[in-house]
Amino acid sequence: DTAVSQTPKYLVTQMGNDKSIKCEQNLGHDTMYWYKQDSKKFLKIMFSYNNKELIINETVPNRFSPKSPDKAHLNLHINSLELGDSAVYFCASSWTGGYNEQFFGPGTRLTVL
Amino acid sequence: AQSVTQLDSQVPVFEEAPVELRCNYSSSVSVYLFWYVQYPNQGLQLLLKYLSGSTLVKGINGFEAEFNKSQTSFHLRKPSVHISDTAEYFCAVSDSNQFYFGTGTSLTVIP
Repeated sequence: DTAVSQTPKYLVTQMGNDKSIKCEQNLGHDTMYWYKQDSKKFLKIMFSYNNKELIINETVPNRFSPKSPDKAHLNLHINSLELGDSAVYFCASSWTGGYNEQFFGPGTRLTVL
Repeated sequence: AQSVTQLDSQVPVFEEAPVELRCNYSSSVSVYLFWYVQYPNQGLQLLLKYLSGSTLVKGINGFEAEFNKSQTSFHLRKPSVHISDTAEYFCAVSDSNQFYFGTGTSLTVIP
């Protein structure tokens, strides 16, 4: 069973479109995250979310919005896609608490043309 | 906020040779330390972690890391690398609230 899954694995779209990436975890974790990895492999935290609190990295444009229908899912919706949004997006989950490791999904490679 | 420095962006090493990937972090207050590996076109997976206790931590695939509080370092080592160890390696530091990742070290094992 896949612990953290993401769909789609690849996403190719035109500038200006709106798209969503889905994430599901079956580990029962209470916190989920979205990361962006650029072409130089730098990892940047975008959001962390549990059932009480959404923490947004202030550098993330408001075109990006996380949506959590339930504790096991955290989807990423992106409006008005730009060329610079091209990257690999990773979902992760963990238990609350800094000593707990994060479990990562396989990633979604987004290409904006 | 923490900062995590991985000084070596790329490390080439011959097969069966030892390797050390360096990681330094900014704060000496209580932190938790992790190493993750990312194989090509995959997500990150945990190699090992230090929470407390013995400063030498053993992980999967023969890797180990040593926590040095005075030098605020958590270097990753393997005595003999294999071709399959070719991957990106990330050091991460966590305080009570957030993970901070380093910029990654690309390890290439040369046959």
